[in-house]
Amino acid sequence: EAGVVQSPRYKIIEKKQPVAFWCNPISGHNTLYWYRQNLGQGPELLIRYENEEAVDDSQLPKDRFSAERLKGVDSTLKIQPAELGDSAVYLCASSLDWANTGELFFGEGSRLTVL
Amino acid sequence: GEDVEQSLFLSVREGDSSVINCTYTDSSSTYLYWYKQEPGAGLQLLTYIFSNMDMKQDQRLTVLLNKKDKHLSLRIADTQTGDSAIYFCAESMGSSASKIIFGSGTRLSIRP
Repeated sequence: EAGVVQSPRYKIIEKKQPVAFWCNPISGHNTLYWYRQNLGQGPELLIRYENEEAVDDSQLPKDRFSAERLKGVDSTLKIQPAELGDSAVYLCASSLDWANTGELFFGEGSRLTVL
Repeated sequence: GEDVEQSLFLSVREGDSSVINCTYTDSSSTYLYWYKQEPGAGLQLLTYIFSNMDMKQDQRLTVLLNKKDKHLSLRIADTQTGDSAIYFCAESMGSSASKIIFGSGTRLSIRP
């Protein structure tokens, strides 16, 4: 069974440019998460989806970040415009049933470098 | 507030036991987790413990939970070079497992 797939793996852009990340969760997983992981730190939740509904986006910087999961499967995370401080690894995770054990399955991440 | 604390580094000799410690804040956490992250990879669940348990053992891994002190530990017996990674402690916030907060991770290095 395929795991969580993310693309691109690496992205280098200049500040003020836009960038988008894509995530395909494990088939059948209804909950999808976007986390940001800064260097030397643990993942920080940006947004959580239950199917196509964003149920927790309290940590998403809404002035420049946006996310969507239109059909309740794939998701995209966009930053426009990017700032130097956005350099990080953006991790996507999915889970089957958050009401159970809460085990998250992570993708390999998209590493963003903003110059 | 929401906070999970871990020490940043641990170095052990190959074959010794490794003990990674963590403190958390939410006394109503239902589950506590240990995730492992190898270089260039995403996080992978190693083990978890339900909050009504004191201990869980899984092969070389032993998890100890002290709810009174909000302290969680992971013991890896007979540590091998393949155990080199960053280990993240995490807690589920509230009575459900819908929001999971991670610590900063402990980097485990193995010396010969």
